[in-house]
Parts: sequence; C-alpha cells; structure tokens
Amino acid sequence: QKEVEQNSGPLSVPEGAIASLNCTYSDRGSQSFFWYRQYSGKSPELIMSIYSNGDKEDGRFTAQLNKASQYVSLLIRDSQPSDSATYLCAVAGGTSYGKLTFGQGTILTVHP
Amino acid sequence: DTAVSQTPKYLVTQMGNDKSIKCEQNLGHDTMYWYKQDSKKFLKIMFSYNNKELIINETVPNRFSPKSPDKAHLNLHINSLELGDSAVYFCASSGSLNTEAFFGQGTRLTVV
Repeated sequence: QKEVEQNSGPLSVPEGAIASLNCTYSDRGSQSFFWYRQYSGKSPELIMSIYSNGDKEDGRFTAQLNKASQYVSLLIRDSQPSDSATYLCAVAGGTSYGKLTFGQGTILTVHP
Repeated sequence: DTAVSQTPKYLVTQMGNDKSIKCEQNLGHDTMYWYKQDSKKFLKIMFSYNNKELIINETVPNRFSPKSPDKAHLNLHINSLELGDSAVYFCASSGSLNTEAFFGQGTRLTVV
C-alpha cells in the first residue's frame, strides 16, 4: 500500500465549478498534512497546511482532514483556468518523521 | 529576496562526471531537504537535515553526499554520475521538523 495515495486524474472541471481533490494516507501516526500546487516546469508551491480534524478555509481553497478515515481533501471553489496544475498531497510525522511524504499528484484541468 | 535558492538551474553533464548543486535559504529555518522528482513527477525524499544534523537518508546511493556547513545551506555532491540520475532535484526548507516545506526552483540534471 502506498503511504500517500491520490487519484492521478486528470480531473477536468469547467470554469466556475468546484474541484474536489482527494488523498488517503496509510500511517495513523501522521500529524501534519499539506497541499501543494505544481505548475509544469515549476517547483511545488504550498497552498494549505492542516494539522487537526475538520475544515480549514483560505480564500477559494478549503482543506478537510478526517484522521479517523485517514483522508484529506482539497476543495477549490470557483475554479479558474489558472488553477490548472498538478496538486500534491503530503504528510509528515509518524513514519514520515523528519520528512514530507508526497502522493503521486492529481492533474487538474479547468476548461473555460 | 528568494527564500530558497539553488544553483544551477540546469546542469548537463557526461556520465562518470562529478557535480554539485548548492542550496541556500534565508528564512531562518532549522530543517532542510533534498528531493528528487523523476520523469513521472513523483517527489521522493533523499535527505533531511535538522540543525545541520542528518535526520533522513532514504536509501540513496552513496555516490550522493549532502553537506550542511550551516543551517542556511545544504549542498548536494554527486560522484560518478549515471544516466538514471537524470531528474529534477529540489531543495526545500521547513521551520522545524514535520512543518510545511518551501521549495527552491529546482535543478534539472541531465546526464548524457
């Protein structure tokens, strides 16, 4: 079982829609959870970090964490073509102590 | 003003050569990392340092040798380069272990 698993996509949504990105992790000891965005040819850019169960909102982005289900998601409201990128889920802590362990990424395409 | 900077951005070299990649962060962070991103875009941890001490060495061939002269710098030296070493190498830093990481712009290494 992969430590951090994401649907590789591609996920295609129309402009203005809500994009929902999902991630599961295998280690119950994981403590910190992150979403990164990576445009082609660029470096990963932190969008959200979440450390406790529940929702965390920042502008058009909402991260949701459910430790019991070992599940973390990212919702992007009012999706824009500029949101088209690869979204990376990462966890730290537990067996990922001292590092961030990444999923394989989900490619998101927002079409006008 | 770049937070995490690495040089060079591109590196093309022949098999068997030795090369170095430099990384510096001006964020005052305690933790620094080297990640490798392969052709399938998967980000894999190579090394993690905290306060200049090696924390993680993720089964990387000993041709790869990191060096942290101080908390702001983490350099990567690679001996006897092989074709399979071709990838993008990212340096990153975190304020502390298991917190969000900020990435440099990456070094695209091509071994011919």
